[in-house]
Amino acid sequence: DAKTTQPPSMDCAEGRAANLPCNHSTISGNEYVYWYRQIHSQGPQYIIHGLKNNETNEMASLIITEDRKSSTLILPHATLRDTAVYYCIVRVAGNTDKLIFGTGTRLQVFP
Amino acid sequence: DAGVIQSPRHEVTEMGQEVTLRCKPISGHNSLFWYRQTMMRGLELLIYFNNNVPIDDSGMPEDRFSAKMPNASFSTLKIQPSEPRDSAVYFCASSLGAAYTGELFFGEGSRLTVL
Repeated sequence: DAKTTQPPSMDCAEGRAANLPCNHSTISGNEYVYWYRQIHSQGPQYIIHGLKNNETNEMASLIITEDRKSSTLILPHATLRDTAVYYCIVRVAGNTDKLIFGTGTRLQVFP
Repeated sequence: DAGVIQSPRHEVTEMGQEVTLRCKPISGHNSLFWYRQTMMRGLELLIYFNNNVPIDDSGMPEDRFSAKMPNASFSTLKIQPSEPRDSAVYFCASSLGAAYTGELFFGEGSRLTVL
């Protein structure tokens, strides 16, 4: 699986959009981009994933560049409860369902 | 659905003792994963099963660790003998696996402290 690079930490004001970047310059054509988050002391939680098109769900939007070498997770209106570590992961979907977590970005949402 | 259920939530034991962590995956899921999380090493994949069969145990630290999945609704992770460096939060996760694109559902974790 390709490796990802994320900033170690970010801050965001409550109510503003949080834009979390991820670099995955060695991504292969059949690898998806996944985002998970981990709120303190809890198990990681799935947020969203995509292959090459932008994706949106009730939690967030995922913007993948045309060359697929980077992506951005957008939380449109961050709340204090969005304070967490956010993990960007790339992997091939299929039978070998390994999901390898990196160090992630610690997002702090402040009032 | 109750989600992935892990027990115990907290375990404190002494070095040398046997520790057994338990996991009940979400009904219908056919892939199960054991992760370990520490401050120093982050989230590490220890082993994962597909249809009750261990597929990859390359993350299991050493022979003191073993994992079983006797049926689709139950898995155990055993440490024997335990050591202080095994202190960590152990997470179990399950997914539909195979054709599914891989959303993992995590349990709340078992926090292990080995004195």
